[in-house]
Amino acid sequence: SSELTQDPAVSVALGQTVRITCQGDSLRSYYASWYQQKPGQAPVLVIYGKNNRPSGIPDRFSGSSSGNTASLTITGAQAEDEADYYCNSRDSSGNDYVFGTGTKVTVL
Amino acid sequence: EVQLVQSGAEVKKPGESLKISCKGSGYSFTSYWIGWVRQMPGKGLEWMGIIYPGDSDTRYSPSFQGQVTISADKSISTAYLQWSSLKASDTAMYYCARHFVKSGGENWFDPWGQGTLVTVSS
Repeated sequence: SSELTQDPAVSVALGQTVRITCQGDSLRSYYASWYQQKPGQAPVLVIYGKNNRPSGIPDRFSGSSSGNTASLTITGAQAEDEADYYCNSRDSSGNDYVFGTGTKVTVL
Repeated sequence: EVQLVQSGAEVKKPGESLKISCKGSGYSFTSYWIGWVRQMPGKGLEWMGIIYPGDSDTRYSPSFQGQVTISADKSISTAYLQWSSLKASDTAMYYCARHFVKSGGENWFDPWGQGTLVTVSS
């Protein structure tokens, strides 16, 4: 079972803001990275480190962290942001890596 | 352009062996870790393990240790994931991805290969 827990599903109205959370003890010591996966496609990195976006990722995506919770925020959600989102970090031992359980984002 | 290109879909029978590949281009293949990730049908992402092609240092998730073998041939910039005896439960999409690890607690996977679908059925 994953050591990083995410809400299974969230919905957001077009143009509004949605926050996706990832909880786990390891997040007190390590940053999370975030991935977007659309149906039938490979995951794509959207946020890494403290709050870094790879080239080509819109600035409506941002990351933050507090205590044992990392968050991915989409400010002004677009229809194309509808996807599954996964966090990733070290596991609680710090020796291995683990993905979160995933959150399905629906844009209404 | 940094790219990881994976081998094509496979259909195998239980008990058969299999080796799938992931070829890197556009960067120094020996200077970055490569990770493997499983996604079973309709399920989430699972970290399987990583390899550093420069010296073949390999780490496995406890869930996959002994179940698969990760290797690399740096002369052809290719990483591999192999099974000696497949089970129906190995049916999944398998992704490779370049893995960054930085001091200060940062790690991330980018880019990802297109995935290899493995189907195990009698």
